[in-house]
Amino acid sequence: EDKVVQSPLSLVVHEGDTVTLNCSYEVTNFRSLLWYKQEKKAPTFLFMLTSSGIEKKSGRLSSILDKKELSSILNITATQTGDSAIYLCAAPLNAGGTSYGKLTFGQGTILTVHP
Amino acid sequence: DVKVTQSSRYLVKRTGEKVFLECVQDMDHENMFWYRQDPGLGLRLIYFSYDVKMKEKGDIPEGYSVSREKKERFSLILESASTNQTSMYLCASSPVRDRIYGYTFGSGTRLTVV
Repeated sequence: EDKVVQSPLSLVVHEGDTVTLNCSYEVTNFRSLLWYKQEKKAPTFLFMLTSSGIEKKSGRLSSILDKKELSSILNITATQTGDSAIYLCAAPLNAGGTSYGKLTFGQGTILTVHP
Repeated sequence: DVKVTQSSRYLVKRTGEKVFLECVQDMDHENMFWYRQDPGLGLRLIYFSYDVKMKEKGDIPEGYSVSREKKERFSLILESASTNQTSMYLCASSPVRDRIYGYTFGSGTRLTVV
């Protein structure tokens, strides 16, 4: 059974700290891994990773995929209170070669950044 | 700005009621999905649809049904609501059958069944 596991499930830090969120996966015919940020409302897309060892960066956020270890990390440097959110990791599923765009999600990491 | 709109942000229903959750997208996307989100469990797929009148079960379809009569609208139906269906429900859509690109979520409906 395909699955995605995130750790830690929750994390509390102070502004300015650097955090690392983890995502491991067991997915048949792995193609990509996605990270989303969810504040009060809809999850919003952060990164899609397909190649091992290539870092994707957006401001203070960065992510990298390790296909050997079947895992990915999301780093946030110099955290701000606005980074407080649930961070979701997901991977596309395959069903007879056609995924219909289905994703399987991890449990999410709840990040709380205190001033 | 393109959107996935869920009709209600918060709903409170009684046990045994029939509940309809509506989702509308204005992006002409083929695929639409219903997930539920619970603490510690992440998002779990209930049902999805890849075309009008087409539907497929996800991981946790028991107690739910869906309807897709028009391309832009995907409805989730709780035939007889129960307290264990208290949850956040998220609708999503994506444009192309076999690709992940452009997966867009609605803002969610927090359903409480009392």
